[in-house]
Amino acid sequence: EAQVTQNPRYLITVTGKKLTVTCSQNMNHEYMSWYRQDPGLGLRQIYYSMNVEVTDKGDVPEGYKVSRKEKRNFPLILESPSPNQTSLYFCASSYHRGPPYNSPLHFGNGTRLTVT
Amino acid sequence: AQKVTQAQTEISVVEKEDVTLDCVYETRDTTYYLFWYKQPPSGELVFLIRRNSFDEQNEISGRYSWNFQKSTSSFNFTITASQVVDSAVYFCALPSVGSSNTGKLIFGQGTTLQVKP
Repeated sequence: EAQVTQNPRYLITVTGKKLTVTCSQNMNHEYMSWYRQDPGLGLRQIYYSMNVEVTDKGDVPEGYKVSRKEKRNFPLILESPSPNQTSLYFCASSYHRGPPYNSPLHFGNGTRLTVT
Repeated sequence: AQKVTQAQTEISVVEKEDVTLDCVYETRDTTYYLFWYKQPPSGELVFLIRRNSFDEQNEISGRYSWNFQKSTSSFNFTITASQVVDSAVYFCALPSVGSSNTGKLIFGQGTTLQVKP
């Protein structure tokens, strides 16, 4: 089954404790991206990757890191989480191969992160 | 600037009623695509449909139909004979362009649909 898999689904952590949210897709997509969803602010892009070893900042990259060492994986790293990073996070992938970016984004099931 | 507006914050209907979710967009592109996504209470985001601006024919998929009108910049979504399982937040979205062309989607704020039995 074609899918984007994120883990964990739920995560509660404390301020400053490094964490990684994993994301993997089995559709051979070159494009992957991370979003966060917050009440009143909607969905905002954190980082994106056009291909292996090619990553770039989205709208809200502060406090996050990503890596793309393999085509299928795109982990999101929070080196020192803070309470304002409490959010619902989504990984997405797409068939995008350059502009115009008109292919659908396929999202994972989401990771609900709470930082206390 | 690009923008997607879903003016209906919440809609509540009784099962078997028809319901239309409105979406109005702004874009400077002459050729573009539009998307609808569903977010059920379990939280995942599910892709429903993609339409391009060349094709203004209504799209129908089972109980779902979409009406795209370029003249009014609208891309409305109708659920016929709604069911409790249709209860979700529905998002309309538009790809970003220009200097902010990062492959991201610009989402509307979403419409929460509650279907009561």
